[in-house]
Amino acid sequence: QSVLTQPPSASGTPGQRVTISCSGSSSNIGSNYVYWYQQLPGTAPKLLIYRNNQRPSGVPDRFSGSKSGTSASLAISGLRSEDEADYHCAAWDDSLSAFYVFGTGTKVSVL
Amino acid sequence: QVQLQESGPGLVKPSETLSLTCTVSGGSISSYYWSWIRQPAGKGLEWIGRIYTSGSTNYNPSLKSRVTMSVDTSKNQFSLKLSSVTAADTAVYYCARGDVLLAPWGQGTLVTVSS
Repeated sequence: QSVLTQPPSASGTPGQRVTISCSGSSSNIGSNYVYWYQQLPGTAPKLLIYRNNQRPSGVPDRFSGSKSGTSASLAISGLRSEDEADYHCAAWDDSLSAFYVFGTGTKVSVL
Repeated sequence: QVQLQESGPGLVKPSETLSLTCTVSGGSISSYYWSWIRQPAGKGLEWIGRIYTSGSTNYNPSLKSRVTMSVDTSKNQFSLKLSSVTAADTAVYYCARGDVLLAPWGQGTLVTVSS
C-alpha cells in the first residue's frame, strides 16, 4: 500500500556519499514533513531525520535530509560499515482518508 | 528514558482476532500519541494506526474495518485488536510513541497467523 517510492537498493564504498530518493505526491510529501527511519539488521526502526532535515540528538551529521516539491532525499556522507541498513521515508498523507504512509524502503550496502 | 514493550500471542488462528498490548515504562503515557506499525518478513513498514491518550484514533484506511485501538492510562498501556485475520496479517508488529515523529519504538513482536 506504499505510496512513497524508494529505490530498492543503494550501495557505496567506505567514505563515499550515498543518496536515497523518496518520491510522493502533493497530498503527502508535497504538503507535509518527511521523516526517515534507519533499521539495522534484525532490529526495530529508529528515527533518523524528522521534519525534512532535522537530526535527533545522537544522530551523526553524516546523515542529512532534504525535500523539494513532492520528493525527498536522504544523504549519507562518509559512508561507514555500520550504516549498512534499511532506510524508510515516511510522511502524513492528507488525502480523503488521512493516514501515515511509509516508503517502500531502501537497502544500503557498504561494499 | 521511555521504553516500549509489545506483548501478546505469537500465534493466531485464521479468522480470529489478534490482540497485542504495548507497555510504556520510564515515562507517562499521558498527552502523547501512540502508534502501531507492522512489517511482514522481508517487506516494508505499514502504519496501522494511532491513538491519543484521550482515546481519539486514526486508522489506516486499508485496515480500518478490522482495527480497534484502546489506551489504559492507569496501566501505562495501549492495545491493538485486529479482527478476522488471515495469513496476510503475519508480520512483526511494533508499537511506537508519536503520531508522525515515531520515537522510540518497541523491539517488535512476531505474530504468525496459522491454523
